[in-house]
Amino acid sequence: DADVTQTPRNRITKTGKRIMLECSQTKGHDRMYWYRQDPGLGLRLIYYSFDVKDINKGEISDGYSVSRQAQAKFSLSLESAIPNQTALYFCATSDFSDSGANVLTFGAGSRLTVL
Amino acid sequence: KQEVTQIPAALSVPEGENLVLNCSFTDSAIYNLQWFRQDPGKGLTSLLLIQSSQREQTSGRLNASLDKSSGRSTLYIAASQPGDSATYLCAASGSARQLTFGSGTQLTVLP
Repeated sequence: DADVTQTPRNRITKTGKRIMLECSQTKGHDRMYWYRQDPGLGLRLIYYSFDVKDINKGEISDGYSVSRQAQAKFSLSLESAIPNQTALYFCATSDFSDSGANVLTFGAGSRLTVL
Repeated sequence: KQEVTQIPAALSVPEGENLVLNCSFTDSAIYNLQWFRQDPGKGLTSLLLIQSSQREQTSGRLNASLDKSSGRSTLYIAASQPGDSATYLCAASGSARQLTFGSGTQLTVLP
């Protein structure tokens, strides 16, 4: 089984619908992230969480919300999806290494299409 | 605000060639720089991480260098193979340990 599992892997929905993308991890990491990838723009940070009681906005949090249900679970919600939220979404986890580096482990991605 | 640029966006080379992928960043106050590989449907895999105090890191046929003063990092791939075909992304980590990603270079190694 993958260390970081994202569901669903693919989703097509309509404008205005509420969508939840789920992420679970078996790494035992405290830190979890949601990124969005668009063609030609790299990955951009939506939200991140350093532990169950800590939620932080990233670069592009507008239109999104998150919930950290447990150390191993971090979900991303689109309350009312719009077409420009069509993208590939990645969940990632990390834990500081002994060197202090923030090494991320990524899920396989969730492709969302909003019609 | 940190900006990370990768040029070219796509690169095609014959098998066996040595190649260099480029990454530039605007804010030299980075904590580290990481190189990732992205395969379709498989997310991102971390390849190499260079701390700000280091000049380079090596792993097998891969060598990454870092020049903070010029805001540049390179990923050198020796003796390229078709299995190296993927998108390669670099990411700079700032003081808050958050990563700023480049848009990637799509590499195709032709048999």
